[in-house]
Amino acid sequence: EAGVAQSPRYKIIEKRQSVAFWCNPISGHATLYWYQQILGQGPKLLIQFQNNGVVDDSQLPKDRFSAERLKGVDSTLKIQPAKLEDSAVYLCASRTGGSLSGANVLTFGAGSRLTVL
Amino acid sequence: AQSVAQPEDQVKVAEGNPLTVKCTYSVSGNPYLFWYVQYPNRGLQFLLKYITGDNLVKGSYGFEAEFNKSQTSFHLKKPSALVSDSALYFCAVRDWNFGNEKLTFGTGTRLTIIP
Repeated sequence: EAGVAQSPRYKIIEKRQSVAFWCNPISGHATLYWYQQILGQGPKLLIQFQNNGVVDDSQLPKDRFSAERLKGVDSTLKIQPAKLEDSAVYLCASRTGGSLSGANVLTFGAGSRLTVL
Repeated sequence: AQSVAQPEDQVKVAEGNPLTVKCTYSVSGNPYLFWYVQYPNRGLQFLLKYITGDNLVKGSYGFEAEFNKSQTSFHLKKPSALVSDSALYFCAVRDWNFGNEKLTFGTGTRLTIIP
């Protein structure tokens, strides 16, 4: 099966500019996650979708970050305006429904590396 | 909240020697624990998970992990290291809230296998 697709792979912007990242999960995967991975740290969850609904955005800086998954398939994460501390890799992951105790696990995309100057 | 800790930022092992990457956990209830590996410019790849059952879990690429409830640990192991095992390794724990599941990751351990 095709993996989780993300684009762009790399993006360099200046602070206060805006940027958008796109994710296409594995076909049929109902749950989609966006994680932020800052250099030297573990991935941190930003937002979780179940189909087209948000189920957890408690760690999303909502004054500058937004995300949507309008048709329950692909998703877009936007940052506006960007700050220096937003420099990170943005990872998208997806999985089927059901419990993580079952056969399904999170499958990650290659990530989008953002550098804010 | 559930959490995991990886006490070593970096581990270096000679090729052919056994390797161990350490992880300890703090959870309420039964832990669901995971190991992921990240190669340069790649996303995280699933290695193995512990849900219940045998304390020794076998996974991809010859890796295994030992669950120890009394020590609240879930160390990743391999009997004979390969240079290609050099990568960043993350331990993770399932975090559950109102039916929503996510993974909470440790800070990662960089494993370097020396030829």
